[in-house]
Amino acid sequence: DAKTTQPNSMESNEEEPVHLPCNHSTISGTDYIHWYRQLPSQGPEYVIHGLTSNVNNRMASLAIAEDRKSSTLILHRATLRDAAVYYCILRRLEGSNYKLTFGKGTLLTVNP
Amino acid sequence: SAVISQKPSRDICQRGTSLTIQCQVDSQVTMMFWYRQQPGQSLTLIATANQGSEATYESGFVIDKFPISRPNLTFSTLTVSNMSPEDSSIYLCSVAPGQGANEQFFGPGTRLTVL
Repeated sequence: DAKTTQPNSMESNEEEPVHLPCNHSTISGTDYIHWYRQLPSQGPEYVIHGLTSNVNNRMASLAIAEDRKSSTLILHRATLRDAAVYYCILRRLEGSNYKLTFGKGTLLTVNP
Repeated sequence: SAVISQKPSRDICQRGTSLTIQCQVDSQVTMMFWYRQQPGQSLTLIATANQGSEATYESGFVIDKFPISRPNLTFSTLTVSNMSPEDSSIYLCSVAPGQGANEQFFGPGTRLTVL
């Protein structure tokens, strides 16, 4: 199994940056690091993904350690709408299919 | 991107009955997935359904309990058979439009309660 470890919960203040850590020490060379988030009563939503280099998009940045055994999702300015469960996932090719295997995720609370 | 709709959005069913959940995508996709999210838990992959082939089930899930159909590239159904209260969960459809390790898109889910 492609396992990741995340803190159960984190808290942030509105308009401050948030750094969500993830450990994935058993990552293999072909695993992509994906982040999804799930807002209350909704299906998960893609946030960002990367392989080796740091990545930026309109939602967030992904910082990947040089040895790829850990990564950090960065929300540059948290808003109340960012309160969600954030999942760090290794997307792995198994047979001919890529699979997302969800862990427990980090519950992010954003304080006004 | 892909927009996914699911029917029904929620249902309350009696034990021993079956429910079929529909998943409709607004574009053609090769790979579709069905997940279950039990109350307060994370998502668990039930099966992968590629058009033109039998669904591939994850450990702990069997075809007799969760039969899946995939008649074309925009539609799939998941049936939860002979339901018990332990089947009370949110069932989510997901698609991966692109080849490779691109993002997956998720439907809004079907909230099932079994009495």
